[in-house]
Amino acid sequence: GAGVSQSPRYKVAKRGQDVALRCDPISGHVSLFWYQQALGQGPEFLTYFQNEAQLDKSGLPSDRFFAERPEGSVSTLKIQRTQQEDSAVYLCASSFRSNEQFFGPGTRLTVL
Amino acid sequence: RKEVEQDPGPFNVPEGATVAFNCTYSNSASQSFFWYRQDCRKEPKLLMSVYSSGNEDGRFTAQLNRASQYISLLIRDSKLSDSATYLCVVNRDDMRFGAGTRLTVKP
Repeated sequence: GAGVSQSPRYKVAKRGQDVALRCDPISGHVSLFWYQQALGQGPEFLTYFQNEAQLDKSGLPSDRFFAERPEGSVSTLKIQRTQQEDSAVYLCASSFRSNEQFFGPGTRLTVL
Repeated sequence: RKEVEQDPGPFNVPEGATVAFNCTYSNSASQSFFWYRQDCRKEPKLLMSVYSSGNEDGRFTAQLNRASQYISLLIRDSKLSDSATYLCVVNRDDMRFGAGTRLTVKP
């Protein structure tokens, strides 16, 4: 069955480069979440969509981070002018209601 | 102070041991609670929900104390395959994760 997919799975960027990370949620899932997970840490909340509406972006660490979900399905997390501290795994999750979240495999971003 | 705090671990236990993890949360408006399991370099997966009445799923028992804002997970008769990081998760409108507790079960 189709789960949450993310692309690319791995991304190496030079400092200052812009990156775009894609998330395809499970079909029909209304809610979509983005998390940042540093090595040895739990996932840190970044932002949350319900359909196309971004209801909470309080976790975005700076204005270099931007997320969108224009049609209420696929979402893109964009990071502008990447910095070394942006290196992490970026996890996307979707849920039908506000309960179990299903996670994608993540995108491992390395900024050199 | 983080919104969700867990025992940092690591817990290293022999097969067959019973191990307990604790978690506290700071926001009393939190509505639902979960334990997720995360294997190395994999995504988190739901282990079980946590209810005020306590709930059990095989060797796993989860409990919630709303008054103390405390959640626990008990694993009985631990198996090698239980080795993973266990994440405490608290939900309001969005999910807040603890940093995780690493468990290693040894033969």
